[in-house]
Amino acid sequence: QKEVEQNSGPLSVPEGAIASLNCTYSDRGSQSFFWYRQYSGKSPELIMSIYSNGDKEDGRFTAQLNKASQYVSLLIRDSQPSDSATYLCAVNPTGIQGAQKLVFGQGTRLTINP
Amino acid sequence: GAVVSQHPSWVICKSGTSVKIECRSLDFQATTMFWYRQFPKQSLMLMATSNEGSKATYEQGVEKDKFLINHASLTLSTLTVTSAHPEDSSFYICSAPDRGKHKSWNTEAFFGQGTRLTVV
Repeated sequence: QKEVEQNSGPLSVPEGAIASLNCTYSDRGSQSFFWYRQYSGKSPELIMSIYSNGDKEDGRFTAQLNKASQYVSLLIRDSQPSDSATYLCAVNPTGIQGAQKLVFGQGTRLTINP
Repeated sequence: GAVVSQHPSWVICKSGTSVKIECRSLDFQATTMFWYRQFPKQSLMLMATSNEGSKATYEQGVEKDKFLINHASLTLSTLTVTSAHPEDSSFYICSAPDRGKHKSWNTEAFFGQGTRLTVV
């Protein structure tokens, strides 16, 4: 069983709408959770990090964490065509906070349609 | 944020030759760096943890004699793909943790630009 699971998509969202990306993880001891954006042929870029249950907002992005359900999500409000990319959910399963060793989901390919 | 520089960005080599990829932390020191590999349309898979001044720790299924890692200083880790074969063609990415611009106690992973390796 994969440790971090995402719907691979593709997910298509109209411009200006809310894009919702989901991720589940298997290791209950995980403490650190991250969302990365990866454009084709490029390395991942950190979008959000979240460590505590609840919501964390940064501009148009909101990360949500529910440790009881082992679920992490990313909401992108007012989606723009430039948001079109693959979004990777990453988890540090070691129980130590901070981005040390990361396990990545397979990524969700998001397309924002003008 | 912290800057990690990876070199080269792309390389084409003949089957059977070796290729060295460098990963440098430019504005911070990294006692630990991580090497990932990404095949087309797949996610990043951790290959090994590079430890400054000691042996690297390899993930299960990764051949340590084929993927040589050296972390001789606090700012440089190298990955050498020895006797490369076409199946080693992939996108290799390094990362290093740092506390980021906010210098919080939580670290974040900063990624290099990646190296596209093509073995022909």
